[in-house]
Amino acid sequence: GQNIDQPTEMTATEGAIVQINCTYQTSGFNGLFWYQQHAGEAPTFLSYNVLDGLEEKGRFSSFLSRSKGYSYLLLKELQMKDSASYLCAVRDGDYKLSFGAGTTVTVRA
Amino acid sequence: AAGVIQSPRHLIKEKRETATLKCYPIPRHDTVYWYQQGPGQDPQFLISFYEKMQSDKGSIPDRFSAQQFSDYHSELNMSSLELGDSALYFCASSGGTGTFSGANVLTFGAGSRLTVL
Repeated sequence: GQNIDQPTEMTATEGAIVQINCTYQTSGFNGLFWYQQHAGEAPTFLSYNVLDGLEEKGRFSSFLSRSKGYSYLLLKELQMKDSASYLCAVRDGDYKLSFGAGTTVTVRA
Repeated sequence: AAGVIQSPRHLIKEKRETATLKCYPIPRHDTVYWYQQGPGQDPQFLISFYEKMQSDKGSIPDRFSAQQFSDYHSELNMSSLELGDSALYFCASSGGTGTFSGANVLTFGAGSRLTVL
């Protein structure tokens, strides 16, 4: 099975920066995804990393280190609407996508 | 742009009844996935289909079955429902020739909420 770990909860202030870490141990690796999910809604795609390094996309950036089995999602200039659960998902050597338990981010005014 | 369509959005059933969920993937997407998400849980992979053939199987109970039809829509059939089957069921699709087709990004539908009483 897959082992994907991320913090359960994080709280930050509007306008601040928050970094959500994700560590994984999988049988093979074919990419890491970050999804945002508001309560009761579908996960929506945020970012994809398959090579080491930083992918920047507006206020959101994602970093990957394959040798360390580590990724982070960086959320800048936090807005109230960013309050959601952020899911780290890893595609293994068999191309199966498994999700972490998600990190609930609460943005306070 | 067309998205993944799921129906029904909400479903209430009694224990031991049967339920069928439907999913219409994004046009030209060749792979359909079913996930189950319990309250406060991460999505758990159930089953997937590639070009109408079952491509992978996850933690899907034997009471559940699924298939993909010639028009690419998929149905998840659940029998002998148990209280623990109450969850959000997401369908997702991937493939096609869009910007992220190489990454095989999954696009999720809005989900079907099943409540078993």
